[in-house]
Amino acid sequence: GAGVSQSPSNKVTEKGKDVELRCDPISGHTALYWYRQSLGQGLEFLIYFQGNSAPDKSGLPSDRFSAERTGGSVSTLTIQRTQQEDSAVYLCASGEGYGYTFGSGTRLTVV
Amino acid sequence: LAKITQPISMDSYEGQEVNITCSHNNIATNDYITWYQQFPSQGPRFIIQGYKTKVTNEVASLFIPADRKSSTLSLPRVSLSDTAVYYCLVEDGQNFVFGPGTRLSVLP
Repeated sequence: GAGVSQSPSNKVTEKGKDVELRCDPISGHTALYWYRQSLGQGLEFLIYFQGNSAPDKSGLPSDRFSAERTGGSVSTLTIQRTQQEDSAVYLCASGEGYGYTFGSGTRLTVV
Repeated sequence: LAKITQPISMDSYEGQEVNITCSHNNIATNDYITWYQQFPSQGPRFIIQGYKTKVTNEVASLFIPADRKSSTLSLPRVSLSDTAVYYCLVEDGQNFVFGPGTRLSVLP
């Protein structure tokens, strides 16, 4: 597609449930980032994929968070046993070299 | 990558020029400076990118002094629709770091 696509756009889940968030990057982009943005806050780095290299997971806030990127394209961010503090907008960005394109994000609400 | 600071918020009036300065004291030789605009409920959107001196496009100008330890995003004649959060970002082609963002409010 022409841009970065994220799904679902909104997700409401009960505390303790697992959720999966999907990111379809721009075709051919080797770099893919996940960021989190809490209400009224800045962008918090979560994880970074670059080609076939091991991902940089240094931003994941706990072991309940994991992400994978299959075939160097689609990425899935999984949050296990969700907590209320996980409520945020989760943004994905892809790029090739300099400059990145962001998706519109998935708004996650944990109730 | 560089540690980035920028003002938390700014107010302006319609028709004025707005300058938002970002500090990135330990920027590296390979780093580029990029500015993004973010509206509520949307992902950040690319505005402009530069390495040194001055870059201009149809929406903004970017001024970068010789030492590259800061950069200034200039928005000419802002309108109400320019109300958004503006992020300064430093990237080296593989990694990037966002600044905390500047919330610009344009008043009528």
